[in-house]
Amino acid sequence: DVKVTQSSRYLVKRTGEKVFLECVQDMDHENMFWYRQDPGLGLRLIYFSYDVKMKEKGDIPEGYSVSREKKERFSLILESASTNQTSMYLCASSMTSGAPGTQYFGPGTRLTVL
Amino acid sequence: KQEVTQIPAALSVPEGENLVLNCSFTDSAIYNLQWFRQDPGKGLTSLLLIQSSQREQTSGRLNASLDKSSGRSTLYIAASQPGDSATYLCAVVGGATNKLIFGTGTLLAVQP
Repeated sequence: DVKVTQSSRYLVKRTGEKVFLECVQDMDHENMFWYRQDPGLGLRLIYFSYDVKMKEKGDIPEGYSVSREKKERFSLILESASTNQTSMYLCASSMTSGAPGTQYFGPGTRLTVL
Repeated sequence: KQEVTQIPAALSVPEGENLVLNCSFTDSAIYNLQWFRQDPGKGLTSLLLIQSSQREQTSGRLNASLDKSSGRSTLYIAASQPGDSATYLCAVVGGATNKLIFGTGTLLAVQP
């Protein structure tokens, strides 16, 4: 079974703090993704990565950065957390195949910024 | 720009009923469509993936259909159970990327 894990289920941070959200997958997937999920807005893509050290902006990258130093790990960084970044953050991974394949999601991190 | 819509936003049915959830998308140039389930406060679980060349996929009591030309997909759940209560999301992959574009989901409640 594919397993995608996220470092924290719940996180509370203060405005201005630097926040790291970690995601690890154990199936040697090339592709990894970070989404945020907000009521009424659904899931929105923040950043994604097709390979180690490679990253591309999604639909809402402002205020975020990412790091992918190893294939299995994809980190989301909030350089200076703000209250409007309070949200559920979901990581996902997938294989690169002839056609885009199934995305597997982690359990999510609920981040509250005070 | 691709937009994905799910109707209804919420649905409540008695146990044992068969039900259909709807998903529509504006751009028919998709690679695949995926249905997910999300339990409260949890991540997403993939239910079914339909490639653009396929018309339907089945898994147990679930059947998903795809009509690319009309920009529609349905998720059929047979003999619903209280354990089916969750939010159901559809998402499409369009263009030469692996990016999913999600609908806002249908919240399903199956009453015992």
